[in-house]
Amino acid sequence: DAKTTQPNSMESNEEEPVHLPCNHSTISGTDYIHWYRQLPSQGPEYVIHGLTSNVNNRMASLAIAEDRKSSTLILHRATLRDAAVYYCILRPPDDYKLSFGAGTTVTVRA
Amino acid sequence: NAGVTQTPKFQVLKTGQSMTLQCAQDMNHEYMSWYRQDPGMGLRLIHYSVGAGITDQGEVPNGYNVSRSTTEDFPLRLLSAAPSQTSVYFCASSYSDRTNYGYTFGSGTRLTVV
Repeated sequence: DAKTTQPNSMESNEEEPVHLPCNHSTISGTDYIHWYRQLPSQGPEYVIHGLTSNVNNRMASLAIAEDRKSSTLILHRATLRDAAVYYCILRPPDDYKLSFGAGTTVTVRA
Repeated sequence: NAGVTQTPKFQVLKTGQSMTLQCAQDMNHEYMSWYRQDPGMGLRLIHYSVGAGITDQGEVPNGYNVSRSTTEDFPLRLLSAAPSQTSVYFCASSYSDRTNYGYTFGSGTRLTVV
C-alpha cells in the first residue's frame, strides 16, 4: 500500500487559515487522496477527497500537486471546533479499506 | 438524522464473555465495515461487507465474527472476550461508488474487557 507522511502536530490561531501537508511520493495513478478528521471522543468524519484537480467543499479545500506526490488540506478560517486529528489517506479505486496512519493533531488557539 | 448508529456506547465485559456490537445505517449504503482504535494508534480494519450476504476479513479479524443479513445492519460479535480486545470500535458505511463518496462513521463503542 502506498504510504502517506504527515507532521505529528500543528498549531493555529482562531480565524486564521491552516495548511496541512501530506506527502505521498509512492502514490499510484489511480489512488484517490482522502482526508478525514477525528474530533476528541468521536468517530472519524469525512472531509474531502480528490484525484488530480483541486477540490473545494463547505468544510475545506484540497490542493493536489501537479505530480500528485503531495497534497495540502486547507482550512480557510480555523475555529475551535476544528481542533482534531486529521488523516490523509490514499485509497485505490478497487480497495474498500481505509488505512489510517497517525495523522496530524491540530490545535487551535483562541 | 441519517447516519450510522452504534450501540451500546459503553460496555464492560469479563474475560470469556461474548457480546454483539450493533451497527445500523439508514443511508442505503452497500458497504459497511468495522474498525478498532487503540490508544495512540490509528484505526485498523476488522471485517467488512460489500453487500447483504457478503463479508470478508480485514487486517485484524481474529476473535470477531460478522454477518450481513440486511443492507442496514452489520453486527460485530466477540466470541470470547479477551483483555486485548479492549478498544474503541467504530462502524463505517459508504456507497459502493468509491470514487465519489467518502465513508460515514458511527460515534463508537468503548469496550473494556476485565
